[in-house]
Amino acid sequence: QKEVEQDPGPLSVPEGAIVSLNCTYSNSAFQYFMWYRQYSRKGPELLMYTYSSGNKEDGRFTAQVDKSSKYISLFIRDSQPSDSATYLCAIFSGNTGKLIFGQGTTLQVKP
Amino acid sequence: GAVVSQHPSRVICKSGTSVKIECRSLDFQATTMFWYRQFPKQSLMLMATSNEGSKATYEQGVEKDKFLINHASLTLSTLTVTSAHPEDSSFYICSARDQVPGQGETQYFGPGTRLLVL
Repeated sequence: QKEVEQDPGPLSVPEGAIVSLNCTYSNSAFQYFMWYRQYSRKGPELLMYTYSSGNKEDGRFTAQVDKSSKYISLFIRDSQPSDSATYLCAIFSGNTGKLIFGQGTTLQVKP
Repeated sequence: GAVVSQHPSRVICKSGTSVKIECRSLDFQATTMFWYRQFPKQSLMLMATSNEGSKATYEQGVEKDKFLINHASLTLSTLTVTSAHPEDSSFYICSARDQVPGQGETQYFGPGTRLLVL
């Protein structure tokens, strides 16, 4: 079992839809949770960062962490074609000092 | 958010030559930087952890003599691909660790360097 599991998609939605991206993880000791967005041929861009259970909102993006279920989500409201990218969840392991990435979910928002 | 730059963004070289890639944290100091490699449609693969003033820590299967890392200052790490061969062609991305007191830490990524070895 991988430490972080993420459905690779691809996920295709119409413009304006609410998008839900999810990851599960196996180690309850993981501390910090991040979502990155990566456009083709570009480096990942940090979207959201959280370290506690609950919701964190930033504009159209909401990150949700459920530590009891070891489940993290990223919601995108009013999705736009410019949101089309690969979204990577990443979890920081205090034991190793490294980020552990999910496989990435490719999202396409159609006009 | 914090900014990390990489140079060059793209390089094409002949087989057998060495290529140096620079990674800079522009608005914060990073005692730790990371080097990743990414193949098409795949997630990032950590190659090594670069610590300022000390030797890099390489992941299993990554040749330290092939991929030389130097972290000479708190804002600069370099990756040198020595005697590059076509199989080294890839997308190389660096990141820098940013620690925020009381809030933990995260990593900010550079824009990546696309290496093509002919």
